[in-house]
This record gives sequence, C-alpha cells and structure tokens, in this order.
Amino acid sequence: EVELVESGGGLVQPGGSLRLSCAASGFTFNEFYMTWVRQAPGKGLEWVANVKEDGSEQYYAVSVRGRFTITRDNAKNSLYLQMNSLRVEDTALYYCQGYNSGQDYWGQGTLVTVSS
Amino acid sequence: QSVLTQPPSVSAAPGQKVTISCSGSSSNIGKYNVFWYQHLPGTAPKLLIYETDKRPSGIPDRFSGSKSGTSGTLDITGVQTGDEAEYYCGTWDIRLSVWLFGGGTKLTVL
Repeated sequence: EVELVESGGGLVQPGGSLRLSCAASGFTFNEFYMTWVRQAPGKGLEWVANVKEDGSEQYYAVSVRGRFTITRDNAKNSLYLQMNSLRVEDTALYYCQGYNSGQDYWGQGTLVTVSS
Repeated sequence: QSVLTQPPSVSAAPGQKVTISCSGSSSNIGKYNVFWYQHLPGTAPKLLIYETDKRPSGIPDRFSGSKSGTSGTLDITGVQTGDEAEYYCGTWDIRLSVWLFGGGTKLTVL
C-alpha cells in the first residue's frame, strides 16, 4: 500500500524555522518527482517546491525562494522541506506529493502555523 | 490572483454535464500539458487528468480533459453528488520556472 506521511509541522513564531519530513513507502521512491504543495486556510492549492527523481534539480515558488529548501534522501525514501524566515503568510497545511507518468500520490498533510 | 484562471464556481443537476475552463498563456498551457485535480475538504487532492487528456487508473471515463491553444478544459458528464468538490488545473510555466495551480473551481451539484 502506498503511503506518504508528513511530519514536522507545528506552531512557530515569525522569523522562525521548521523542517518538514515526508516518509514514503509502497512505491519506488527514486523514480518519482517529489513536490510540496500547501493550502492556506480558506485558500486554494499553492505549489511550493519540487525536486527531480535524483535530487539534482529543485524549483521553488517565488514566495518561498531563498527561504525554503527542498531535499530528498532516496536511501531513506524521504522528502524534506527546510523552512527558514517563516512568515505569517506561510501558515498552511503542507502536502507531500509524488508523481511519475500518471501515478500520483499525496499525503494527508502537516499543519504549519506561523504566529506570535 | 492566479496566472491560471478558472471560474470560481460551477453548478449542475445530477446527470448533467459540466465544463470547467482553465485559461493560461503561451508560457504555460500553450506550451505544456494540463493536469486536473479534485480536492474534497479534509482529504488529499486526487489526480483526475494528466498530460491534458489521460486518466489515471481508477478514474471513471465521466471525467475527460482537453486543450486548445492556451486554455484547458475539464468535462464531467453524468455529474453525481459525490463529485461536489474543488477542482484545480495545473501546469508548468516556462517563463516563471514554476508549477502553477489555477485558483480552483467549486462544483456544486444541485
């Protein structure tokens, strides 16, 4: 059974940092493009960042560029998102997504709240 | 305001057909495939259509996708109450080097 399980969310003050993790199982992780997508309260889906299958390339939304870093460890079947200089507007449910040629998997999300 | 423009809402009676549009530009839809996702509250988004017109296994053929120029379209025939959800289009943008989601369309089944 395919599973993507996010963790690491929580309450953090503006300017703080968090590291999200996504543990994958049930599929060949190193064959999947991995992505972080978020949804702020009452808003639509927002793409945050993605990383190629081998980790060689990463792309970021303009809103997080320079503050967030996406990485993956294929040996551990895990995806990460290091979030620094957090802002109130980063408050959202963060989903981990994996995609390969029509196979698309999502986790249930981890909630990040940035507030003083 | 999203780069990909979707109608905020559409509605249809059970059994009818509904069309959701996604308008972009030459740097995104005009150049790349369109993807469609269904998102029900409290659940993870689900891929409905990939590479403009392909359905993942398990997605009924009531759902279909197409593209013309810089606009993509999701058609849902024989709408059911269980189809009530938010629908998002998505694609890559070569000019911005980002993935884009549309603003989302809320489908209401009357």
